[in-house]
Amino acid sequence: SAVISQKPSRDICQRGTSLTIQCQVDSQVTMMFWYRQQPGQSLTLIATANQGSEATYESGFVIDKFPISRPNLTFSTLTVSNMSPEDSSIYLCSVAGTATYEQYFGPGTRLTVT
Amino acid sequence: KQEVTQIPAALSVPEGENLVLNCSFTDSAIYNLQWFRQDPGKGLTSLLLIQSSQREQTSGRLNASLDKSSGRSTLYIAASQPGDSATYLCAVRPYGGSQGNLIFGKGTKLSVKP
Repeated sequence: SAVISQKPSRDICQRGTSLTIQCQVDSQVTMMFWYRQQPGQSLTLIATANQGSEATYESGFVIDKFPISRPNLTFSTLTVSNMSPEDSSIYLCSVAGTATYEQYFGPGTRLTVT
Repeated sequence: KQEVTQIPAALSVPEGENLVLNCSFTDSAIYNLQWFRQDPGKGLTSLLLIQSSQREQTSGRLNASLDKSSGRSTLYIAASQPGDSATYLCAVRPYGGSQGNLIFGKGTKLSVKP
């Protein structure tokens, strides 16, 4: 299993500003994943963060809105840029086990945009 | 396109009751299926992982089954307790696509009354 921590746990931000969310894993992993959970909705994959290369974004998500950094094998950041109330969600960092592909999630960052 | 449906959306039971949560998916080409628990405003805790070649997995009072051909999985909770109150999410990992791309249902919100 993997232990994942995220900062901040929650934040309230004003429209038009940006927030950077940090994710730390207790072991080295090749890929880290960022998910979004909008109120009342299921989780959706935003992007895959690969160490040493550009992140891979899913359909409907773009780098200008959600820039991602992956400086080493245990850390990643997701920035939510130029926020609007529609960005109010829980953002979750995730990794997958290499043998079984069991997915593990961090505690999430609850973002409210006013 | 893979879709995951969970029924019921909400369930309230008295303490001690055995219960079943249902998950259905539209495409049987899956690598595995995973059940998670999510407490309000929190991240996801992995409960059980079933590989596509397996029929069921058990952990304590939890038992998950998988019928890939019919596109169904069930999570059985024995002797429910108030501490089991949470939202239970089912997710499938399709073959192909990005490694982290789990497809989630919207969850079943379980309330166990003392």
